[in-house]
Amino acid sequence: QKEVEQDPGPLSVPEGAIVSLNCTYSNSAFQYFMWYRQYSRKGPELLMYTYSSGNKEDGRFTAQVDKSSKYISLFIRDSQPSDSATYLCAMSVSGNQFYFGTGTSLTVIP
Amino acid sequence: GAVVSQHPSWVICKSGTSVKIECRSLDFQATTMFWYRQFPKQSLMLMATSNEGSKATYEQGVEKDKFLINHASLTLSTLTVTSAHPEDSSFYICSAGAAGGLSYEQYFGPGTRLTVT
Repeated sequence: QKEVEQDPGPLSVPEGAIVSLNCTYSNSAFQYFMWYRQYSRKGPELLMYTYSSGNKEDGRFTAQVDKSSKYISLFIRDSQPSDSATYLCAMSVSGNQFYFGTGTSLTVIP
Repeated sequence: GAVVSQHPSWVICKSGTSVKIECRSLDFQATTMFWYRQFPKQSLMLMATSNEGSKATYEQGVEKDKFLINHASLTLSTLTVTSAHPEDSSFYICSAGAAGGLSYEQYFGPGTRLTVT
């Protein structure tokens, strides 16, 4: 079983839609949860970071962590064509070694 | 701020040759740098962690004699793929953690696409 599971998609939504991206994991020791956005042929950039359980909001982005279910989510409100990218979840026990999901490819159609 | 560059962005080499990839933190000092490999439609896999001035720590299954990592300064780490073979063709990405920064804050480079023919 992989440490982190993420549906690769692809996911295609109309502009303005709410997007929900999810990851599940098996290691209950994970405490750091990150979401990265990666454009084609570019390195990932950090979008959201959450420590332990709970929600975190930043503009149109909301990250949720449910440690009891070993499930994390990223919500994108009012999605824009510029949000089209691959979204990677990443997790860590100590904040050093990261375990990444395979990434979900998102296309927002104008 | 927090920009990481990689050079080259794309390289093609013949089987059996060696290739060096550079990773630089342009506007901050990176005490720790990480090297990842990403195959198409797969997640980033950590290959090794390097701290400035010390030997790199390799992940299980990564051949340290094949993937030579040097972290000679606080702004530069290099990955050398020795005697490259077609199965080494991949997207190699480095990330850097800022000195004194929070450990989860890794800044990624744009990646280097290696094709071995």
